[in-house]
Amino acid sequence: AQKITQTQPGMFVQEKEAVTLDCTYDTSDPSYGLFWYKQPSSGEMIFLIYQGSYDQQNATEGRYSLNFQKARKSANLVISASQLGDSAMYFCAMRVSTGRRALTFGSGTRLQVQP
Amino acid sequence: NAGVTQTPKFQVLKTGQSMTLQCAQDMNHNSMYWYRQDPGMGLRLIYYSASEGTTDKGEVPNGYNVSRLNKREFSLRLESAAPSQTSVYFCASSEGRGFSGNTIYFGEGSWLTVV
Repeated sequence: AQKITQTQPGMFVQEKEAVTLDCTYDTSDPSYGLFWYKQPSSGEMIFLIYQGSYDQQNATEGRYSLNFQKARKSANLVISASQLGDSAMYFCAMRVSTGRRALTFGSGTRLQVQP
Repeated sequence: NAGVTQTPKFQVLKTGQSMTLQCAQDMNHNSMYWYRQDPGMGLRLIYYSASEGTTDKGEVPNGYNVSRLNKREFSLRLESAAPSQTSVYFCASSEGRGFSGNTIYFGEGSWLTVV
């Protein structure tokens, strides 16, 4: 079974600063994908970034980057130059190549960006 | 661009009533999913459908039934609603039968309250 752990229930960051949201995962499947989603107060799930287990380089999408450390089974999200609009819940999720192939989610981190 | 459409967006039920949440996607995706999100938690998989004509239980299937009516539509039915089923329900879809990094697309969520 897969498991995603997000140990930071809440985080604060000053506007324009960088912030790292932690995510560790556990799976015995050698082939998997790691995802980050943003959920603003309006409730929708917004896909941010994806990292495959065999990808050699860390994924980047604009101000978002994924710090993938395979040996440590961690996939931390880094948001650079935080903006007020980044205030939201952030979920780390994993999908493996066998079985259900559905996303398994962590419990989330609530990020608040302060002016 | 409709993407994943789920209805209704809001619903209040009395304990013991039944209802069906409807979901449709227009992206020709094979796989569809139903998740629930309880306050302060990540999304948990209720049921999924890897392809038209197949459905399988997820992490929390008790109290629910599903129907994959055709490739586009995947409905979730509560036969006898209970207060423990008060939650936000998300439908999602993704392309491909095998594992890939294909993004999973989410509907906007359905807020269900059982009193």
